[in-house]
Amino acid sequence: DIQLTQSPSFLSASVGDRVTITCRASQGISSYIAWYQQKPGKAPKLLIYAASTLQSGVPSRFSGSGSGTEFTLTISSLQPEDFATYYCQQLNSYPFTFGPGTKVDIK
Amino acid sequence: QVQLVQSGAEVKKPGASVKVSCRASGYIFTSYYIHWVRQAPEQGLEWMGIINPTGGSTSYAQKFQGRVTMTRDTSTSTLYMELSSLRSEDTAVYYCARGGPFARLPGDVWGQGTTVTVSS
Repeated sequence: DIQLTQSPSFLSASVGDRVTITCRASQGISSYIAWYQQKPGKAPKLLIYAASTLQSGVPSRFSGSGSGTEFTLTISSLQPEDFATYYCQQLNSYPFTFGPGTKVDIK
Repeated sequence: QVQLVQSGAEVKKPGASVKVSCRASGYIFTSYYIHWVRQAPEQGLEWMGIINPTGGSTSYAQKFQGRVTMTRDTSTSTLYMELSSLRSEDTAVYYCARGGPFARLPGDVWGQGTTVTVSS
C-alpha cells in the first residue's frame, strides 16, 4: 500500500496568514492526489484533485501543486472559515489511502 | 441537486453485521463510481473500497477483504455497504462519496455519514 505522510500534523495560524501543508507519498503517484477539508461533525469537502485542479465552488485562495511523491496545499490568505482539518488522498493505486491529516487552528 | 442520503445510525453487538445504504439522486446513477470511507472517533479518514455502479465491480482495501461487501441496486439508485464480524474497532462514521466516471477520481459529493456503534 502507498503510505502518505502530512506535515505539519498541527498548525496554529492567524487570519490572513499564508499556510502550506505538505503531503508525501511512499512511492510515486504521478498527480493522483486530492485534498479535502473537514470540519468537526461534518463530511469531508473536496478542495483540489489531480494535484492542482480546483474543485468547482472552492475559493481561489486554495491551491495545490506537486507531482511524483511531494505535494502541497496552500491557502494564500487564511480566513476564519478555513480553520479545519485537511487530508490528502492518493488515487494512483488501490487502496486509495488518506494522509493522517493536518489540523489548522487559530493562533 | 446531486445528493447522497445515507441510512440512520446503527448499534450492533460484536460479531454481528451491519448494512449501510446510500441513496443517490440528481445525477445519472451508473455514470459515477462510489467510494466508501470510514472515520473512527477522533481519528482520520480510512478508505474502505469502491464500486462501479454500472456493472457492480468492486475493489476493497485488503484490511476489509472477506468482511465487506459493496453492492448496488440500479432500480432504486441505492448503494449498500455490508460489514460483517463486527468488533469494537469498527465503531465509526461510515460515508459514501460520489467519485467520477473513472475510478481514480475523488469523492466530490458525500453522504451525511452513518454512525455505527459496536458494543456489547
